[in-house]
Amino acid sequence: NAGVTQTPKFQVLKTGQSMTLQCAQDMNHEYMSWYRQDPGMGLRLIHYSVGAGITDQGEVPNGYNVSRSTTEDFPLRLLSAAPSQTSVYFCASTRQGRNTEAFFGQGTRLTVV
Amino acid sequence: AQRVTQPEKLLSVFKGAPVELKCNYSYSGSPELFWYVQYSRQRLQLLLRHISRESIKGFTADLNKGETSFHLKKPFAQEEDSAMYYCALRATGANNLFFGTGTRLTVIP
Repeated sequence: NAGVTQTPKFQVLKTGQSMTLQCAQDMNHEYMSWYRQDPGMGLRLIHYSVGAGITDQGEVPNGYNVSRSTTEDFPLRLLSAAPSQTSVYFCASTRQGRNTEAFFGQGTRLTVV
Repeated sequence: AQRVTQPEKLLSVFKGAPVELKCNYSYSGSPELFWYVQYSRQRLQLLLRHISRESIKGFTADLNKGETSFHLKKPFAQEEDSAMYYCALRATGANNLFFGTGTRLTVIP
């Protein structure tokens, strides 16, 4: 049972480069989200999706783009990487309903130099 | 708007001592509250949810609506409890989780 799988685990980018962080889940969850984790700031929501074809912005969406063409996949694109985007990124998926558990990927540690 | 406050960034206790990680929230409705834990080099995982009123790994958390708190407690800390703990809130009918800034717990042998 794979759960939520993120790739890559580590990435170093140069300022201005673009890249896509991959996220896939095999639990048929409707809701998927991306967070960034920064010291002293906890987890902040970047973008989320309530189903295929539907995405919306979270707290800190600037500089990121998402799409949801299938239930399983929810990639996060960095359009033009900046040092301020150095962070650990987590993808999560949740079944719709009350008090449901969010399942997280193992994280992607991104450094922008 | 929802807000979750964890006032302690770092907390150190000795093995066998009681531990309490504080969480306060602001939300006008009836919230769903959770504690998530991240052990070293592992992914974030659910520890407790308030609706279950259960004890997991010896931890309990009680929702106090009057004080808008959801503190996490354990009577006797163990070394394996050392981890990062996040309190999280979900608004009624919503999907998004709002996280506190986290508390890093270190249990000293």
